[in-house]
Amino acid sequence: GAVVSQHPSWVICKSGTSVKIECRSLDFQATTMFWYRQFPKQSLMLMATSNEGSKATYEQGVEKDKFLINHASLTLSTLTVTSAHPEDSSFYICSLRAGGGRATDTQYFGPGTRLTVL
Amino acid sequence: QKEVEQNSGPLSVPEGAIASLNCTYSDRGSQSFFWYRQYSGKSPELIMSIYSNGDKEDGRFTAQLNKASQYVSLLIRDSQPSDSATYLCAPRRSGTYKYIFGTGTRLKVLA
Repeated sequence: GAVVSQHPSWVICKSGTSVKIECRSLDFQATTMFWYRQFPKQSLMLMATSNEGSKATYEQGVEKDKFLINHASLTLSTLTVTSAHPEDSSFYICSLRAGGGRATDTQYFGPGTRLTVL
Repeated sequence: QKEVEQNSGPLSVPEGAIASLNCTYSDRGSQSFFWYRQYSGKSPELIMSIYSNGDKEDGRFTAQLNKASQYVSLLIRDSQPSDSATYLCAPRRSGTYKYIFGTGTRLKVLA
């Protein structure tokens, strides 16, 4: 498999503040990174896809100005939830698609970040 | 019709039995299929992938694919209580690297 880390693992913030979540690949260079959101008892919902050095592409219904994604390098992507509100409370999970040497369409998931907005 | 259909369960099986998890998908162009296991409160972990029609075995797990029927399944032999989790079927959307996740089947293995 692959080692993916996310930081923080959980965060509680006040409504109106911004929260940044980091996703790091620890043992391979990630060609593509994905950000998902999962509400309780629901499946994963893809929010956006990002490739290193280019802008993220967002899924329909996901506000790009609210969920800012920066794919800073082949090992780091960040998701910033701006002006968070209670309805943004969710489990945010990143996944990475590996480049050469591994099956290139396999996604490896980070451990997730649980966001609670008060 | 949902893009990926899975029985939500719970599917309850006794310890040591075979658990059979099924998934149908609508994207005829899908060529890659993945099974993930997700424990409550945790992120998905990859169990196995399958690309060709037929069976693929990995330890206690066997994935089966039938592209003509748009059907993929996962068999877990000698089920253990530690296998109790939600199993997510994820075909890769044709022409992209995106996955289409099903809602998952919750498996309970009874000791």
